[in-house]
Amino acid sequence: GQQVMQIPQYQHVQEGEDFTTYCNSSTTLSNIQWYKQRPGGHPVFLIQLVKSGEVKKQKRLTFQFGEAKKNSSLHITATQTTDVGTYFCAGPPQGAQKLVFGQGTRLTINP
Amino acid sequence: SQTIHQWPATLVQPVGSPLSLECTVEGTSNPNLYWYRQAAGRGLQLLFYSVGIGQISSEVPQNLSASRPQDRQFILSSKKLLLSDSGFYLCAWNQYSYEQYFGPGTRLTVT
Repeated sequence: GQQVMQIPQYQHVQEGEDFTTYCNSSTTLSNIQWYKQRPGGHPVFLIQLVKSGEVKKQKRLTFQFGEAKKNSSLHITATQTTDVGTYFCAGPPQGAQKLVFGQGTRLTINP
Repeated sequence: SQTIHQWPATLVQPVGSPLSLECTVEGTSNPNLYWYRQAAGRGLQLLFYSVGIGQISSEVPQNLSASRPQDRQFILSSKKLLLSDSGFYLCAWNQYSYEQYFGPGTRLTVT
């Protein structure tokens, strides 16, 4: 079945440094989504990418979808303590309504 | 607007006891509904999903079951809990797109 891998599993940065997490799927995706889960909270939908090579920005967050629609990345510029949490990517298997989630990247920040 | 509720928020149950977790969605009709389990510090494991009343797809054939007795109600059950059933149980919904919206979750500790 479809597998979605995320790296790194953990990332610790100093406040103000940049952060990037990478997501790779074993199969081509019709779309990819990103979620953020704050410590003790539930995952919250951030964004969906659909087109090959698509780049979207949300303030300091930049999301990219690869040309082959099998990989994606999330880049945070100048991290702030509010960025702490676990970031998940997810994509739907072919023809299925469900999502397959990556294992997540846990971001911690030293203020 | 749509809201999703889960209860209870926390639960401590002995091994071998039954389980019933409830999830309800307000403000929409015929949503797709999902049950996930998240072990401490880990990713999201899809347990069950439902695209309509009485329609349940099982992803993990363990000692858990799910039911959808009403359009906006999704119940996760077990007849006898195991220690390995401990975790954070999340319910989610979506409808006309792939992005999912999660409830606040139930933290289950099996002792």
